[in-house]
Amino acid sequence: EPEVTQTPSHQVTQMGQEVILRCVPISNHLYFYWYRQILGQKVEFLVSFYNNEISEKSEIFDDQFSVERPDGSNFTLKIRSTKLEDSAMYFCATPGSGGMDEQFFGPGTRLTVL
Amino acid sequence: DAKTTQPPSMDCAEGRAANLPCNHSTISGNEYVYWYRQIHSQGPQYIIHGLKNNETNEMASLIITEDRKSSTLILPHATLRDTAVYYCIVRVAFWTNAGKSTFGDGTTLTVKP
Repeated sequence: EPEVTQTPSHQVTQMGQEVILRCVPISNHLYFYWYRQILGQKVEFLVSFYNNEISEKSEIFDDQFSVERPDGSNFTLKIRSTKLEDSAMYFCATPGSGGMDEQFFGPGTRLTVL
Repeated sequence: DAKTTQPPSMDCAEGRAANLPCNHSTISGNEYVYWYRQIHSQGPQYIIHGLKNNETNEMASLIITEDRKSSTLILPHATLRDTAVYYCIVRVAFWTNAGKSTFGDGTTLTVKP
């Protein structure tokens, strides 16, 4: 099965600090997505990114968040000044390598803000 | 995207078929039914999707009613490792609109020995 990798698997940070979460998606798809899941709650959409531009974002994705594709394969989600309520699992996702039939999720990064 | 309704929880005996229902009475003609599952806190795992014909892959079968207002995911021989939250999502195909997927609460399937 195709894989999406994410690093780190667990990030602990102090409130107010910046964090960068990384994702290496399948192949060289131009699309990728970030979702988050607060413990015990639903998986929530954050942002979709296409061809180096944000194509859609949710209300959660405020000015504290940004996404980038710093090189040809990695995608990043940056939270500039973390808050306690940012503690969650963060998942990136991309379409499958065979086309656009499905969406594959990474294993997630657990972010803990103290 | 059309709204879906799933039972909050189901139990299944190990080795038996698990049948997970999903209602999507407002589904549009160009919307597909996608199924994902999430084991503990892992990333959602794609299982299967379909438009109107029944589909089968190595993981599961998807039965969609003729009016497309409901569907059933079938795990033919459930194992303990199939214990997870199963999500039914209705949306247009990704090649049509690669926008977000909206996750509901899903069905928590517990496979018991």
